[in-house]
Amino acid sequence: KQEVTQIPAALSVPEGENLVLNCSFTDSAIYNLQWFRQDPGKGLTSLLLIQSSQREQTSGRLNASLDKSSGRSTLYIAASQPGDSATYLCAAYLRDDKIIFGKGTRLHILP
Amino acid sequence: DTGVSQNPRHKITKRGQNVTFRCDPISEHNRLYWYRQTLGQGPEFLTYFQNEAQLEKSRLLSDRFSAERPKGSFSTLEIQRTEQGDSAMYLCASSFSRTTGSAFTETQYFGPGTRLLVL
Repeated sequence: KQEVTQIPAALSVPEGENLVLNCSFTDSAIYNLQWFRQDPGKGLTSLLLIQSSQREQTSGRLNASLDKSSGRSTLYIAASQPGDSATYLCAAYLRDDKIIFGKGTRLHILP
Repeated sequence: DTGVSQNPRHKITKRGQNVTFRCDPISEHNRLYWYRQTLGQGPEFLTYFQNEAQLEKSRLLSDRFSAERPKGSFSTLEIQRTEQGDSAMYLCASSFSRTTGSAFTETQYFGPGTRLLVL
């Protein structure tokens, strides 16, 4: 059974620091890996989608990597800002068309 | 606005009542998904449609839950005889997929969700 784990569950860092959020999955037979942002009480905003044949994607200050063989993905945020404070979720697309989400990492950027 | 919309945004109901939520996907998307998210958890898959066909239902979707997408456009999720454990955020997402296999499935776009509170 596919499980997606995100570590840490919560993280507080001073503004301006670079940081890495981790996501691991138990079954390497995934298609895509997607990172989302969720603000309190809101829906999900897609940040980056890494397709199966890719190893990383970049958008602005965000970079996501995917290593299927080790069952890991990381989201790197450069030069963090208070507006980056949110919950970050990773989601693994399975071959049976389902998506399995992790529980998320609650990020707080300290001004 | 061409994003995914959900109505209502909030719903408070008494235990035992029926509730219905609506999702309007992005117009050219052929897939529509329903998820449930409880506090501190990631969204959990409930069911999804390819056009008007409901292709899969999670075991989380008890007999009290039913979803429809009659014309392959908007979808409704109905919960009958609500229980306090049904209190959650119900999220809808849509995507465009060229095949039934997920190799060509594109990004899922999520709506703002409907927050349900069962008293």
